[in-house]
Amino acid sequence: DQQVKQNSPSLSVQEGRISILNCDYTNSMFDYFLWYKKYPAEGPTFLISISSIKDKNEDGRFTVFLNKSAKHLSLHIVPSQPGDSAVYFCAASFGTSYGKLTFGQGTILTVHP
Amino acid sequence: KAGVTQTPRYLIKTRGQQVTLSCSPISGHRSVSWYQQTPGQGLQFLFEYFSETQRNKGNFPGRFSGRQFSNSRSEMNVSTLELGDSALYLCASSRIAGGGDTQYFGPGTRLTVL
Repeated sequence: DQQVKQNSPSLSVQEGRISILNCDYTNSMFDYFLWYKKYPAEGPTFLISISSIKDKNEDGRFTVFLNKSAKHLSLHIVPSQPGDSAVYFCAASFGTSYGKLTFGQGTILTVHP
Repeated sequence: KAGVTQTPRYLIKTRGQQVTLSCSPISGHRSVSWYQQTPGQGLQFLFEYFSETQRNKGNFPGRFSGRQFSNSRSEMNVSTLELGDSALYLCASSRIAGGGDTQYFGPGTRLTVL
């Protein structure tokens, strides 16, 4: 039972354009969501997070949107840069999950110069 | 502030052996979680420790175990290694691992079982 899903295995974007990565979840107990960026053979790097009491959070070029009724979140990267090329994971947790992040399968983002 | 460190970075073992991996969390972080990443299963939660106590455990066999020391450093052990245990093992730390707490990951230990 995959509780967090990233349905797009890959996304290709031109430099300077917007990248939109999507994530769906099924467990209504999730109340904290995170996005991580990962290069092969390295650990995930934290990008941005959002609590379920908000519907938007911004940090520089990164914005995360949360639609609780649709159980959907998205990560917007504007403008996209070639250095953003990596695998992006969304993850979710809830208050008593004690250190357990549930991850999606990841989306490979490629930004072309 | 130093990040999460993991040792060793690479390890090669043979079936039937056991292995111990080490993780040092960010200073001030008391929670350490462990994950296994494989191409087929993605990132899966192994267990979490806080103040030397295991608070949560994922769906892995008993061959996978861990512990945490009073300085918050953690080790995980895998006994009787199987080929399927080949994976990237990641450690993450956070302040309390409660609601709204962000986990920060180390670089991982790449374990290859031959």
